[in-house]
Amino acid sequence: EAGVTQSPTHLIKTRGQQATLRCSPISGHTSVYWYQQALGLGLQFLLWYDEGEERNRGNFPPRFSGRQFPNYSSELNVNALELEDSALYLCASSYNQLTGSNEQFFGPGTRLTVL
Amino acid sequence: AQSVAQPEDQVNVAEGNPLTVKCTYSVSGNPYLFWYVQYPNRGLQFLLKYITGDNLVKGSYGFEAEFNKSQTSFHLKKPSALVSDSALYFCAVSSWVAGSYQLTFGKGTKLSVIP
Repeated sequence: EAGVTQSPTHLIKTRGQQATLRCSPISGHTSVYWYQQALGLGLQFLLWYDEGEERNRGNFPPRFSGRQFPNYSSELNVNALELEDSALYLCASSYNQLTGSNEQFFGPGTRLTVL
Repeated sequence: AQSVAQPEDQVNVAEGNPLTVKCTYSVSGNPYLFWYVQYPNRGLQFLLKYITGDNLVKGSYGFEAEFNKSQTSFHLKKPSALVSDSALYFCAVSSWVAGSYQLTFGKGTKLSVIP
């Protein structure tokens, strides 16, 4: 069974540009989550999508946005990039979280570097 | 608000010795608790979870964790450490927050197993 995949592996942008990160969940999973892992800050929750809808959002500015497509894949967009956006962005998927007890399965991440 | 504390940034243990990685949590309701491991330049891998029932949970790679409700702890343990266990370990708690389940991670503990 294929795991969660993310693309690209690495992304280099300059300040003010836009970045688009992509994620394909495990087959059968309807929920997709995005996290930011910046050095020294642990994992910060960004967004949660389920069945095409945004279910929850972390404490990030509106320039972090995303969407989930009918095939459950997802896209994270970061507008007006700032230097502090440089981080590893992790995508995870799970079965629906109606009970909150389903573990999340993570992809390898996209390393975003903002110059 | 829910939170997770991993009081040790780093734990060093000799190969063959037992290991413990500590985690305490704070939630307003019943928690679901998880442990994940991250190897260098990789995404997170699920190790084990506590939902309900037996307080001792067994997971992947010989790891286990004990849920202690009175101490609000969920420490990760292994009877005999391997060098290959060296990695970054994250504790996480899921509970109902503001209309949906939310997963909150600790900052991580770096485990180094010394040959």
